[in-house]
Amino acid sequence: AQSVTQLGSHVSVSEGALVLLRCNYSSSVPPYLFWYVQYPNQGLQLLLKYTSAATLVKGINGFEAEFKKSETSFHLTKPSAHMSDAAEYFCAVSSFGNEKLTFGTGTRLTIIP
Amino acid sequence: SQTIHQWPATLVQPVGSPLSLECTVEGTSNPNLYWYRQAAGRGLQLLFYSIGIDQISSEVPQNLSASRPQDRQFILSSKKLLLSDSGFYLCAWSSVSGYTFGSGTRLTVV
Repeated sequence: AQSVTQLGSHVSVSEGALVLLRCNYSSSVPPYLFWYVQYPNQGLQLLLKYTSAATLVKGINGFEAEFKKSETSFHLTKPSAHMSDAAEYFCAVSSFGNEKLTFGTGTRLTIIP
Repeated sequence: SQTIHQWPATLVQPVGSPLSLECTVEGTSNPNLYWYRQAAGRGLQLLFYSIGIDQISSEVPQNLSASRPQDRQFILSSKKLLLSDSGFYLCAWSSVSGYTFGSGTRLTVV
């Protein structure tokens, strides 16, 4: 069985500050990990994914995430927050041969001007 | 290129009325298709997934059903809506590159 825990349902950061959204996973097999972003009343857009290649994954809009097996974590970061980053972010896990995604409960990111 | 269409975008239905949400995919064949529901503060819950025509798996017991009459068509239905069916419904298809989501349907049951 797989699961994802996102710490912090709401995160607020000032514009220009570091963004850190936390995700921990549980998986009995090597995981594939994903971060998605959702803007209000829209579908989800893929930010980045980890599929057992490089542990530091770079995505769109300046986001990146690092896979740390020892910590079972896949935290999302961005060095400098922009107002347009305000959205809800979802971490998700799947595994090779099983394309079903299991999502975390999401983190709503607010950017303070 | 692959695209996914989902409609309607918003829907307000009375309790006890039927429901039909449709999702179609273009640019791919034999995709895995999914219906998710997003309730306020509860993340995304997988409702149904399908690996082929007329092959539907239900993830949770509920008041909803799904059908896949054609390879690239996935329909979410209910005979009688409940208040608890309100939410944001998302269709998706998957490939080795990940999931592609539709734009969602906001369903309000009144």
